[in-house]
Order: sequence, then structure tokens, then C-alpha cells
Amino acid sequence: NAGVTQTPKFQVLKTGQSMTLQCAQDMNHEYMSWYRQDPGMGLRLIHYSVGAGITDQGEVPNGYNVSRSTTEDFPLRLLSAAPSQTSVYFCASSYSKGQASEKLFFGSGTQLSVL
Amino acid sequence: DAKTTQPTSMDCAEGRAANLPCNHSTISGNEYVYWYRQIHSQGPQYIIHGLKNNETNEMASLIITEDRKSSTLILPHATLRDTAVYYCIVSSSGTYKYIFGTGTRLKVLA
Repeated sequence: NAGVTQTPKFQVLKTGQSMTLQCAQDMNHEYMSWYRQDPGMGLRLIHYSVGAGITDQGEVPNGYNVSRSTTEDFPLRLLSAAPSQTSVYFCASSYSKGQASEKLFFGSGTQLSVL
Repeated sequence: DAKTTQPTSMDCAEGRAANLPCNHSTISGNEYVYWYRQIHSQGPQYIIHGLKNNETNEMASLIITEDRKSSTLILPHATLRDTAVYYCIVSSSGTYKYIFGTGTRLKVLA
């Protein structure tokens, strides 16, 4: 098992560009989520999904779109990148079969810089 | 969603027990307490979780007060590799919003 795989590991964008951060898991997890972590700060939840075709907003969803067409993949789209979106992005997944009692597995992160 | 409060930072001598407190006074009856840690800029790593009873695994012990309003993560014999940011979170029953907060920065001193 590869676990939770995030690509790319590093990315530099110019203001206004769009891009997609990829997240894939091979553990058949229903729950997937995206967090951002600014320097010296904790993690903030952007969006999450409890299954294919189901997504919902977290704490800081503005400027980001998500979709969940398959159980394995949960891409995060930046529609028009802004310097305020410079951050490290983490994807996480868990089983979460209707009970909030499953641990999260995290990817290794994507470091994004917006100039 | 229940919120958690943790000290910003703590120090612990190598080989001693590290006791990390967490307040979650608004936790509801079916919400779990989870602990994660983040070493440098790696992805957070699960440590332990519990509902009512105390829990122990190969990494740590979790002590939850009887009223469930607070908990303590115990690393029984801290090593330099335990230096990390430790996050206490509570699950949001039915909505899956795992809110992390800023955590406690634990420094283990040689």
C-alpha cells in the first residue's frame, strides 16, 4: 500500500494562474479531506468528502474547489491563485463508516508558493 | 463542534514522562478525543484516540477525565525524536470536521 499520495511536492505559481493539487489513496477510504498549514500555524480544514459524489466545506473553503468522482481521488483546484494561498497543503483520509472514530492518514504535503 | 485548548509549548527532559494537557469542555457525548503529532513539516501522524476510558498503545497513553472535559497525553519515556507539535482534536459527530487548532510544541531536552 502506498497510503495517501500527494502530487506535486513543490509548486510555484504566478498570481492568477490555476492548478490542481492531486491526492490519491489506495486504502478504500470513504473520507478524504484537504488542509492548509501556513508557517508556524496549525492545520485548517479546506474541504472534505465522505464518499464519491459528496463534498462539503471546511473552515477556509474560499478560493478552492473540490470534486470526488472516485473513492480513490480527491483533487483540490485553485481557480485563480493568490499570494494568500501560499501554504503547505495536506491531504488526509480515513475509513469513517458513519462513526467519527477512525484515525486520519496524511499525505506528505504539497508546498505551494504563489508569487 | 467542540473546540480544544492546549498550551502553546512545553519542555521535557529526555527519559522523563511528557504530559500534554488538553481542554475540551464543550465535548459532546459521542465525540472522540484524538491525538496527532507533526514532526518538522511532515504530515501529521496519528498517536491515539479515546471516548471515555483511558487508552494505551505502543506510543502513548491517553487519560480522559470522568467528565470528559479534559484529557492528557502521556509519553512515558520521552526521547529527542518525540520533539514535535502535538495536536488534540475532537471529532465532530456526523459531520467529519476534524478541526486541528495550533497544538502544543513539545521540545525534548537532552
